[in-house]
Amino acid sequence: GAVVSQHPSWVICKSGTSVKIECRSLDFQATTMFWYRQFPKQSLMLMATSNEGSKATYEQGVEKDKFLINHASLTLSTLTVTSAHPEDSSFYICSARDMGQGNYEQYFGPGTRLTVT
Amino acid sequence: AQSVAQPEDQVNVAEGNPLTVKCTYSVSGNPYLFWYVQYPNRGLQFLLKYITGDNLVKGSYGFEAEFNKSQTSFHLKKPSALVSDSALYFCAVRDKWGNRDDKIIFGKGTRLHILP
Repeated sequence: GAVVSQHPSWVICKSGTSVKIECRSLDFQATTMFWYRQFPKQSLMLMATSNEGSKATYEQGVEKDKFLINHASLTLSTLTVTSAHPEDSSFYICSARDMGQGNYEQYFGPGTRLTVT
Repeated sequence: AQSVAQPEDQVNVAEGNPLTVKCTYSVSGNPYLFWYVQYPNRGLQFLLKYITGDNLVKGSYGFEAEFNKSQTSFHLKKPSALVSDSALYFCAVRDKWGNRDDKIIFGKGTRLHILP
């Protein structure tokens, strides 16, 4: 089946620094990718929809200047948390949509745990 | 806008008993419904989905779900629970398949505890 990878799987950074998380579709092309955030013991909240070659669409309440999303190729989207603060600590999960042959299935990555100290 | 409700934060079931995890949905178009499971510090694992056709959908690990349009429900079920089924379960919905507004929205999750 289709595989979505994320790198790194976990990261610890100091407050004020920026951290980049990569999301890759390994065996399919994804014109659309999604970034979710999950707080402990809570649901996945959609942060933004990332379309290859265009600007991401952010959900209400998500700061686009803080969470920079780049979708430069059909297999890679990146989320950069800028000037990270402890409240940005969370589990970030990406998802990629397979557009091949009219297939609109969506697959999820394993997640990246970010801890800001 | 589409939404999903999981009315139970936690469900406790004795091992070997049948289990049900409830989910209701609200969409403007046709519902495309999903169940995912998440183990501690892990990503999501797909269990099953309803797109069209038979209202009873069978999925991974012996789970099944029944789509009920009149009650706008999609409850997850299993005839005989295993301790290893203990995890966090998410119901999710899409209602604009293939549309630019197509996105998956998740319920808040239900923690399932299977008691030995």
